[in-house]
Amino acid sequence: DTEVTQTPKHLVMGMTNKKSLKCEQHMGHRAMYWYKQKAKKPPELMFVYSYEKLSINESVPSRFSPECPNSSLLNLHLHALQPEDSALYLCASSQEDRSTDTQYFGPGTRLTVL
Amino acid sequence: GNSVTQMEGPVTLSEEAFLTINCTYTATGYPSLFWYVQYPGEGLQLLLKATKADDKGSNKGFEATYRKETTSFHLEKGSVQVSDSAVYFCALQRGSTLGRLYFGRGTQLTVWP
Repeated sequence: DTEVTQTPKHLVMGMTNKKSLKCEQHMGHRAMYWYKQKAKKPPELMFVYSYEKLSINESVPSRFSPECPNSSLLNLHLHALQPEDSALYLCASSQEDRSTDTQYFGPGTRLTVL
Repeated sequence: GNSVTQMEGPVTLSEEAFLTINCTYTATGYPSLFWYVQYPGEGLQLLLKATKADDKGSNKGFEATYRKETTSFHLEKGSVQVSDSAVYFCALQRGSTLGRLYFGRGTQLTVWP
């Protein structure tokens, strides 16, 4: 089983709202990732967690706040977003963060900021 | 630095045609190479991978060979189907970059019946 699940599938929020995206995997993977994907573009890396510790933050604005409560769960807390933050947010996981470890992606959350 | 260059799309083919999507890369050392596919409205799915030179990845009739001498990982399929219509991303990953995937721009494939 190589399934990564994400909820919700769609999210519409105003610029003053606070919301969270959730990602879950039960493959025993120790590395988890958040990506942002705009239409007709490749995914852009936002954050990497390795063994529940944040190892990469790609200079993401503080209105995005990641959290890894345990090895199976990854959250992305959203606050005071801008319309340009509207995108598909993808979660991925891999065994570890070695070059040979395949990243498995979830279906994504399509976020619209009004 | 690390980068991936994919052929420009879109690519439009008739069913049962031969498909090639070119991918070349720049990287130091020995990266792993991947092809991911994204169907409309969905996330990325791993299509195939190769972790060392001369490895051939294959899945669902798609193949790609890791060519270090030409720094290439071209995707091929002998006979495409309408259901293959999707966006295809070539990507590389190096361990020294903590699992960071470097993606190509993506190639939109449309197959007509």
